[in-house]
Amino acid sequence: KNEVEQSPQNLTAQEGEFITINCSYSVGISALHWLQQHPGGGIVSLFMLSSGKKKHGRLIATINIQEKHSSLHITASHPRDSAVYICAGRDDKIIFGKGTRLHILP
Amino acid sequence: GAGVSQSPSNKVTEKGKDVELRCDPISGHTALYWYRQSLGQGLEFLIYFQGNSAPDKSGLPSDRFSAERTGGSVSTLTIQRTQQEDSAVYLCASSFYHEQYFGPGTRLTVT
Repeated sequence: KNEVEQSPQNLTAQEGEFITINCSYSVGISALHWLQQHPGGGIVSLFMLSSGKKKHGRLIATINIQEKHSSLHITASHPRDSAVYICAGRDDKIIFGKGTRLHILP
Repeated sequence: GAGVSQSPSNKVTEKGKDVELRCDPISGHTALYWYRQSLGQGLEFLIYFQGNSAPDKSGLPSDRFSAERTGGSVSTLTIQRTQQEDSAVYLCASSFYHEQYFGPGTRLTVT
């Protein structure tokens, strides 16, 4: 079993839909990262959080330390949000989930 | 620019040859990470440098892989006697606190 699990693996949605990507982890972590990997391969760090909730534009990330679970939400999704979203748990090292491939249809 | 840069962007090498991949982190970032992403696979941690501390090499897949960071800045990842399974995109990231900034990666192809 992977120490960091993401779901779903693939998600296709219509433009405007509210998107939720989930991340569960089984190891102790000090922080959790959400990353976005564009189709061209570039990686952008979206959020780093260790508790509560963070918001940036249409993106919201939450984490529940007790349940070892984090979610990434996208409101009013747009085709340019199409990418692979990766969560990573950080303690001494970083352990990555396998990513969620999101495709937003116009 | 002020971002993380990596060179070369692409490298094709023959099996058995050694390769060196370079990472220039953002100035002032004390932490530097190397990752790789094999075709169709997720990201895999390789090695982590933090300041002057001994690096965390726990992710290196074999003793053919080594990395150094000179003067707390530029880092070089060396792969000796390359194998076809080493083909991947090698990514470098740097950070000052926790947020990591990724370079564009080096695509390594071993033929």
